[in-house]
Amino acid sequence: SQKIEQNSEALNIQEGKTATLTCNYTNYSPAYLQWYRQDPGRGPVFLLLIRENEKEKRKERLKVTFDTTLKQSLFHITASQPADSATYLCALDQGQGGKLIFGQGTELSVKP
Amino acid sequence: EAGVVQSPRYKIIEKKQPVAFWCNPISGHNTLYWYLQNLGQGPELLIRYENEEAVDDSQLPKDRFSAERLKGVDSTLKIQPAELGDSAVYLCASSPQAGETQYFGPGTRLLVL
Repeated sequence: SQKIEQNSEALNIQEGKTATLTCNYTNYSPAYLQWYRQDPGRGPVFLLLIRENEKEKRKERLKVTFDTTLKQSLFHITASQPADSATYLCALDQGQGGKLIFGQGTELSVKP
Repeated sequence: EAGVVQSPRYKIIEKKQPVAFWCNPISGHNTLYWYLQNLGQGPELLIRYENEEAVDDSQLPKDRFSAERLKGVDSTLKIQPAELGDSAVYLCASSPQAGETQYFGPGTRLLVL
């Protein structure tokens, strides 16, 4: 069956450390993989997109890797700050007109 | 530039009652999406519109859910009758074209008693 799994446990880290979130999938062939941030009571906000032929993408303190052999994406936030505390969602796009399939999200808490 | 607007933000109804949610996408965005998000889960697509045409409604429970996007701008999602299991957040998103970045509204939180 098709499945997308993110770290089920909430991630608690100290300010200044690097947060690493995992997204694993089975039985999908995504053309793109996207990461979103969601704050309580708000809709998801797009952060980064990585294509199937890209290994790594960076944007400021964010880095995403995509391994289609392992069927895994890693999302890194370097020099984390309390303001980075939120739920992070990965989403697969199989290139079917923008139909996104979301993981369940990982809650990140950055302590000062 | 205004983002995606949704109303109401919260709605409490009794089961078997009807309910409607409204979405105004970002100006110029042709593609509009309705998602359902249960607590602790990611959003799940209910329906996608290209202009006024519903191009993917395979996940919409058509026995009780309906949607429309008249004139290819605003959209309404309706549930009739609502069931307890419909309690969730209903998110609307839009993108300039299909496959481009999606911008989400704040969602409507529905509680069915």
